[in-house]
Amino acid sequence: DAGVTQSPTHLIKTRGQQVTLRCSPISGHKSVSWYQQVLGQGPQFIFQYYEKEERGRGNFPDRFSARQFPNYSSELNVNALLLGDSALYLCASISGWGQGGNEQFFGPGTRLTVL
Amino acid sequence: AQTVTQSQPEMSVQEAETVTLSCTYDTSESDYYLFWYKQPPSRQMILVIRQEAYKQQNATENRFSVNFQKAAKSFSLKISDSQLGDAAMYFCAYKRAGGATNKLIFGTGTLLAVQP
Repeated sequence: DAGVTQSPTHLIKTRGQQVTLRCSPISGHKSVSWYQQVLGQGPQFIFQYYEKEERGRGNFPDRFSARQFPNYSSELNVNALLLGDSALYLCASISGWGQGGNEQFFGPGTRLTVL
Repeated sequence: AQTVTQSQPEMSVQEAETVTLSCTYDTSESDYYLFWYKQPPSRQMILVIRQEAYKQQNATENRFSVNFQKAAKSFSLKISDSQLGDAAMYFCAYKRAGGATNKLIFGTGTLLAVQP
């Protein structure tokens, strides 16, 4: 089975633009989480979706939004990009909705550069 | 709020030797999970080992083991017989048990270099 996939791999945008990042979870996994990893830092939780509903949101501004589709894939949207949004965006897939200590499987990430 | 601290930005170990990476965390909860994740250069983050807080026995996965000290809120990772492929960024992470989300709280990471 394929692992978690993300697209695109790299992206370059300018300040003020909007970006959409995509993630496909492992087959059978219904929950997707998004993390932002700024260079030199650990990943920071942005969103979790389970069965197409938002189940958690981190401390990020409303410029960040996400959704999950019936096939459990997910999109992360960031509006009005700032230089500080430059980061590696990670998607994590997990079976179940999060109440246990199940392993989260991470994708390769999308490297976003804002100029 | 829960926090995770990794005080060693970089570590180095000789091949075949043993190295210990440190992690401390802060929480008021009694039930939680702790994880060590490995992020090789330009590769995906993978789970190394997991510890359930209500289990006193330290977790072990082949060459990887943890020293979990709940009262001290310490969770260190020991890598035995280090191999070149162990070179990576290692993140310690915390997750509430029974919460409504699978939110992981990560430390800032420790970059491990393995010298041949």
